[in-house]
Amino acid sequence: GQQVMQIPQYQHVQEGEDFTTYCNSSTTLSNIQWYKQRPGGHPVFLIQLVKSGEVKKQKRLTFQFGEAKKNSSLHITATQTTDVGTYFCRMGNFNKFYFGSGTKLNVKP
Amino acid sequence: KAGVTQTPRYLIKTRGQQVTLSCSPISGHRSVSWYQQTPGQGLQFLFEYFSETQRNKGNFPGRFSGRQFSNSRSEMNVSTLELGDSALYLCASSFAERDGYTFGSGTRLTVV
Repeated sequence: GQQVMQIPQYQHVQEGEDFTTYCNSSTTLSNIQWYKQRPGGHPVFLIQLVKSGEVKKQKRLTFQFGEAKKNSSLHITATQTTDVGTYFCRMGNFNKFYFGSGTKLNVKP
Repeated sequence: KAGVTQTPRYLIKTRGQQVTLSCSPISGHRSVSWYQQTPGQGLQFLFEYFSETQRNKGNFPGRFSGRQFSNSRSEMNVSTLELGDSALYLCASSFAERDGYTFGSGTRLTVV
C-alpha cells in the first residue's frame, strides 16, 4: 500500500529563522494540499498543488511539488510567532488521500 | 457566510454506548468528510460523502458509520464505544477539491 511520511515531527526555531517541512509518498500523487492547525484550533486550508515541479508562494510561505509528484515541501522564511502550529499535508492519489502526521512548529520570540 | 458547524462541541459517553455527531457544511458544499484526531495517531480519515453517497472510506471498523442527507448535512455514528474512541472528531466540507476543505471546530468525545 501507499506509504506516506512527513518530517520532521517537531521543529523549534528562533523567531526570524527559516522552517521547512517535507511530505513524501511512495507512490505518485495527483495533488497535495497543505493545512495549518493552530494550538486548540482546527486545520485551515493553505494551498493545493497539482502540477509536477509546481511552486507557489503566499507571502513568506513557499510551497513546492516535486518533479516526480511524490514529494512536497512547505518553507517559511523568517518565522514569526504567529506561525506557531502544526502543518499537515494531505496527499491525494485520485480517489484516495492520506494526511501526513504533521510537523509541529514552535517559534521562540 | 457561516462556516462548518459541528454539534455537540463536547461529549462524554460510557464504554459500550453509542454516539451520533452532527455536521452542517457550508451552504453550497456537497462534499462532507469526517476525521478522527488523536495525539498518538494524528489526523485520520474516516469517510467522505458527496450528494448522499459515500465516496470514500478510511480504515476504521464497522462501528463507525455515517450518512449524508439531501440538504448535505451529515451525521457520524459510533456504536459500542471503546476507550480508544476518545478523540476530536472533525468534519470538513468542500465545494471543489481544488478549493481545499473547510474544517469545523470539531466534537471532542471522551469515553469513560
